[in-house]
This record gives sequence, structure tokens and C-alpha cells, in this order.
Amino acid sequence: AQSVAQPEDQVNVAEGNPLTVKCTYSVSGNPYLFWYVQYPNRGLQFLLKYITGDNLVKGSYGFEAEFNKSQTSFHLKKPSALVSDSALYFCAVRDKSNAGNNRKLIWGLGTSLAVNP
Amino acid sequence: EAQVTQNPRYLITVTGKKLTVTCSQNMNHEYMSWYRQDPGLGLRQIYYSMNVEVTDKGDVPEGYKVSRKEKRNFPLILESPSPNQTSLYFCASSFSDWGYGYTFGSGTRLTVV
Repeated sequence: AQSVAQPEDQVNVAEGNPLTVKCTYSVSGNPYLFWYVQYPNRGLQFLLKYITGDNLVKGSYGFEAEFNKSQTSFHLKKPSALVSDSALYFCAVRDKSNAGNNRKLIWGLGTSLAVNP
Repeated sequence: EAQVTQNPRYLITVTGKKLTVTCSQNMNHEYMSWYRQDPGLGLRQIYYSMNVEVTDKGDVPEGYKVSRKEKRNFPLILESPSPNQTSLYFCASSFSDWGYGYTFGSGTRLTVV
């Protein structure tokens, strides 16, 4: 069965420090991987995707994520955190195959990031 | 501006009183979807639509209806709301169902008493 795990409910980091929000996944085939961010009282916004190619993908607001096939991970990173990065972050995965339930986009439960000034 | 517009933003209603939450997108997207967001449960898909007149159930469709008569609109209908449908609802649209570049509405916080 396809699944996504975000092992940390909350991540705290000081402003200016690097941040990592973890995501691991399980799909039967090859994955499409995504990160979305939800700021308070807002809908989710697309941050970045891994489809194919370079394992390190860059997205909006200075975020990047590294696809690691052997560890089935897609951790979100930023070299220097800002207070304005405080938000809820969602990882999502979809199997590249179009067959049946593989079409389904699976969402993690979200990780709350708090960046302290 | 490209956007998904949901209305209302906040709604308090009583058990059994039919309601509709509207969703409209101006990006000519074919794919639209409704989610509910609950603490500890994350995002759960209610219904989705691949195109006009094409809708299908998501993970938690019970108690909800949808329609897709026009490409831009995808209303969510609660025929007889119950307290367990108290939640934060999001509409999303995209050019496909691949997961890439979904645009979400700002959400509708529904309370059923």
C-alpha cells in the first residue's frame, strides 16, 4: 500500500539556522513527490516537486528537497530559516503508474515548523 | 490573478439543514477536488472531478455530494449536515491529477451544531 510518513509533528529551529522537515514514502513503483506549505488561515501552496532527473530539487522561497531512492525519503531543507517560514508543511506522493489506485495522491499528516527569532 | 475561490469562509449551521459550499477556479483547470482537514487526520479527499460531468469518490465521500456542470465550478453539497462534518474544507484545482501544482482555495471552516 502507498503511504507517506512525516515522523515529526513539530520542528523548532532558530532563525538563521538550517532547517529540515522529514518525509519518507512507500509506493509500489517510482514516485512523484511533492511538498506543500500551509500558512495560518490559508490554503495549501505548492512548494516543489520531484518528477525525474536531478535528485536535488529547488522550489519556492529558497526551499529545496533531496530525493533519496535507497532511503525512500524526500526531506525538505532550507539553509537559513526565516520567522516567516513558520507554517504547516505537507509531503505528498503519487506512483508514476496510472493503474487503478496508483493514481491516488497520498498526503502526509503535516509537520508544524516553528522558527524562533 | 489565478485563484480558487471558495465561499463562504466561515459557516455555522444546524444539523440537517442543507448547505452548499461553492468553489470556482479561473485557470481553466480540468481537475478539481474537495478535501477536509481535521487535526491528527491531515487532508482527506472527499470527491474529485477529472472534467465536466466526470466526478468520483475520494476517501471520505459519505454525507457529501458534488456536481461539475461547468469547468470552473465544483460545489460541495451537504444534504443533511451532521456534527461529524464539522471541519475545515478546501477546494483545489490543477491541470491534472498528478499532484503537481495544485491551487487551493482559502478554505471554509464549517461548524455543524
